[in-house]
Amino acid sequence: AQSVSQHNHHVILSEAASLELGCNYSYGGTVNLFWYVQYPGQHLQLLLKYFSGDPLVKGIKGFEAEFIKSKFSFNLRKPSVQWSDTAEYFCAVKTSYDKVIFGPGTSLSVIP
Amino acid sequence: EAQVTQNPRYLITVTGKKLTVTCSQNMNHEYMSWYRQDPGLGLRQIYYSMNVEVTDKGDVPEGYKVSRKEKRNFPLILESPSPNQTSLYFCASSSSGTDTQYFGPGTRLTVL
Repeated sequence: AQSVSQHNHHVILSEAASLELGCNYSYGGTVNLFWYVQYPGQHLQLLLKYFSGDPLVKGIKGFEAEFIKSKFSFNLRKPSVQWSDTAEYFCAVKTSYDKVIFGPGTSLSVIP
Repeated sequence: EAQVTQNPRYLITVTGKKLTVTCSQNMNHEYMSWYRQDPGLGLRQIYYSMNVEVTDKGDVPEGYKVSRKEKRNFPLILESPSPNQTSLYFCASSSSGTDTQYFGPGTRLTVL
């Protein structure tokens, strides 16, 4: 069955620490990949997306992600987190059948 | 302002009483989708629609119905709600199945 897994359920970091959130998916066909963020009390919004081309994609607020096809992974990174990055982060995959599958989410808490 | 709206935002109901959650977008998007969000499970797609009169099942369609009679509206219908449908529901739209999804504010449903 198609699925998306995220390595960490809850991550706690101090400000200025580096962040890497893991995401792996199981689907053998062509995929489009997304990271969404949900700040407390707000809608989900797009951080970045990958459709094709350069596997290293840059998003808003200094986030980037790398697509490694051989590992079915799309990990999210940020070199230096801020308190305002406290949120829940979701990895998502769109399959060639137009279904969208979300991961279970990673809750990030940044301590000032 | 470009947006996805959902109504109601909060709903408490009883088992078996039919209900409809409305979703409307003003961006002329072809693709619309419903998700439910449960702790530890992330967002799971219930139904999606590629265009008017075209709908398809997501991962968790049991107990739900949808219709897409107009491009802008995509209501979610629970014919006979049960307590296991207590959840946070999100509607989303995008210009195609491959593009960024824009999410509504969510509807928190409690079925007693």
